[in-house]
Amino acid sequence: GQNIDQPTEMTATEGAIVQINCTYQTSGFNGLFWYQQHAGEAPTFLSYNVLDGLEEKGRFSSFLSRSKGYSYLLLKELQMKDSASYLCAVRDGNAGNMLTFGGGTRLMVKP
Amino acid sequence: DGGITQSPKYLFRKEGQNVTLSCEQNLNHDAMYWYRQDPGQGLRLIYYSQIVNDFQKGDIAEGYSVSREKKESFPLTVTSAQKNPTAFYLCASSSWTSGVQETQYFGPGTRLLVL
Repeated sequence: GQNIDQPTEMTATEGAIVQINCTYQTSGFNGLFWYQQHAGEAPTFLSYNVLDGLEEKGRFSSFLSRSKGYSYLLLKELQMKDSASYLCAVRDGNAGNMLTFGGGTRLMVKP
Repeated sequence: DGGITQSPKYLFRKEGQNVTLSCEQNLNHDAMYWYRQDPGQGLRLIYYSQIVNDFQKGDIAEGYSVSREKKESFPLTVTSAQKNPTAFYLCASSSWTSGVQETQYFGPGTRLLVL
């Protein structure tokens, strides 16, 4: 089985930087995905990591350390529209390469 | 435009009634998935299908059924056996390459409420 942990809620200020952490325990790690989900809407794909290191996409970056079972999503220059839930999902090669989702982190951006 | 559509956006179910949620994709993806999301929680896998005419149970399949007669379509039926069906239902699809699923893309979701 898998265990994926994320903080339940975070608050940050417009224009600031926020880091959302995700830790996982899995026997067959084969990739980690980050999704953004606004309330009542579908999750949208943000980033994917399978090798250690940082992947940068504009204001969003995602980092992975496979030895530590750890990833983070970094959001820079926060905007009000970044208020959403951020879902971490791990693909498990020992479970048919299916995704298991964490509970999500609800980020509130304040003026 | 390529994408995934789900209908209806809202669905009401009466006691003892079966209801069917629609999911269609025109992304030419081989694999399709159904998830359930409860308030403030992550996604839990109900069923998935990697190929037409084949599907597998996910973590919470009890009280649900699916079919995959066409590549583009993967309807989910919530049966009367599902005692707590109120939730947000999300359909997703992905390519499947060399035994590994690629990025999943989601439809807009159907919110099911019990009357």
